[in-house]
Amino acid sequence: DIVMTQTPLSSPVTLGQPASISCRSSQSLVHSDGNTYLSWLQQRPGQPPRLLIYKISNRFSGVPDRFSGSGAGTDFTLKISRVEAEDVGVYYCMQATQFPWTFGQGTKVEIK
Amino acid sequence: QITLKESGPTPVKPTQTLTLTCTFSGFSLSTYGVGVGWIRQPPGKALEWLALTYWNGDKRYSPSLTSRLTITTDTSKNQVVLTMTNMDPVDTATYYCAHRLSTWNSFDYWGQGTLVAVSS
Repeated sequence: DIVMTQTPLSSPVTLGQPASISCRSSQSLVHSDGNTYLSWLQQRPGQPPRLLIYKISNRFSGVPDRFSGSGAGTDFTLKISRVEAEDVGVYYCMQATQFPWTFGQGTKVEIK
Repeated sequence: QITLKESGPTPVKPTQTLTLTCTFSGFSLSTYGVGVGWIRQPPGKALEWLALTYWNGDKRYSPSLTSRLTITTDTSKNQVVLTMTNMDPVDTATYYCAHRLSTWNSFDYWGQGTLVAVSS
């Protein structure tokens, strides 16, 4: 199985300041079709997960542009340019390049 | 508008078989590229992918649970059913079903989840 490791596990952030989450995979996530199926999901308290970013850097429909994704191969990053109160929650990276699909442990973003 | 909703029994007794139903609307599981998956989340813990069924009938399972899982589809009812045998208290979790599209090969729409408690 591909192991997804996120850092940090907790990120206290001041409103209006940036936040960054790292995700590292135990193997390259480049698929044989040339795509890299790395997604980021947000889970607000008491809510199901929500897709933010797919294929490393593509924002899903309705996702604010303060969210951005980057990376390649085995190292990926989610950035929030200016954290807002509604961004509080747990963020997961997920790989869908190889079965079984696997998630990171989650990073909790909270307001200082 | 795509929606999904999970339903199933709770609590479940140890050794029993769990049957969860995902009822969806806004898409067809016969459409090219579409899939429906199951994911679970123990209380306070991370997400775990369980199974996925595709528009073409292909099915995939988590290797650690494959002997206990079966995913079936009823396209006429717009439902996907997940059965999990030999339930144990460690299987206590919120179980989600979610829509997948080949364009992004990720879960873009999720149900609200159903909490399944396993207890004698």
